[in-house]
Amino acid sequence: ETGVTQSPTHLIKTRGQQVTLRCSSQSGHNTVSWYQQALGQGPQFIFQYYREEENGRGNFPPRFSGLQFPNYSSELNVNALELDDSALYLCASSSETSPSNEQFFGPGTRLTVL
Amino acid sequence: AQSVTQLGSHVSVSEGALVLLRCNYSSSVPPYLFWYVQYPNQGLQLLLKYTSAATLVKGINGFEAEFKKSETSFHLTKPSAHMSDAAEYFCAVSEGYGNKLVFGAGTILRVKS
Repeated sequence: ETGVTQSPTHLIKTRGQQVTLRCSSQSGHNTVSWYQQALGQGPQFIFQYYREEENGRGNFPPRFSGLQFPNYSSELNVNALELDDSALYLCASSSETSPSNEQFFGPGTRLTVL
Repeated sequence: AQSVTQLGSHVSVSEGALVLLRCNYSSSVPPYLFWYVQYPNQGLQLLLKYTSAATLVKGINGFEAEFKKSETSFHLTKPSAHMSDAAEYFCAVSEGYGNKLVFGAGTILRVKS
């Protein structure tokens, strides 16, 4: 069974640029959630995708957007990058057959905005 | 709205000593509660979860947590700390399947030899 994978592992961008982060969910999982973890803080929920539709969103501006593909992998896109977007971005997958909402996390993508 | 408070951003214990990491939550519905561990430059690993079954939950690596509804607490304990336990620990709450996880700010555990 393959776990959750994310790419790239590290990324450096400058203010105003756009970035795309990728996540492959664990086999059999149809739900992907994205979290932003700023330095020294707990992860903050960005949004969730379930069967290719957005299924809940946290307090993030519209320049944070996402996609989920038929194979349940997902992308997180951030436009007009700001310095405060520097963080570890975590992807987590889960399955509706898991009543406890157990989410399995990937290793994260470390984004640095200069 | 749900929230999680982790008391103590840093906890230091000696190797072999009791580990106690505190977590209090706020939820308007019966919660699902989780403890995750994060090692440097890594993602989150689930230690244990409470899903309205037994109030004392046992997890991996010798950790356990007790759900106390009257105290709205879900403290994490381990009888004897090991050097490999040094990491950051996050408590999280969820209202159930399909709902987001709300995390606390984390507690960094340091284990002294």
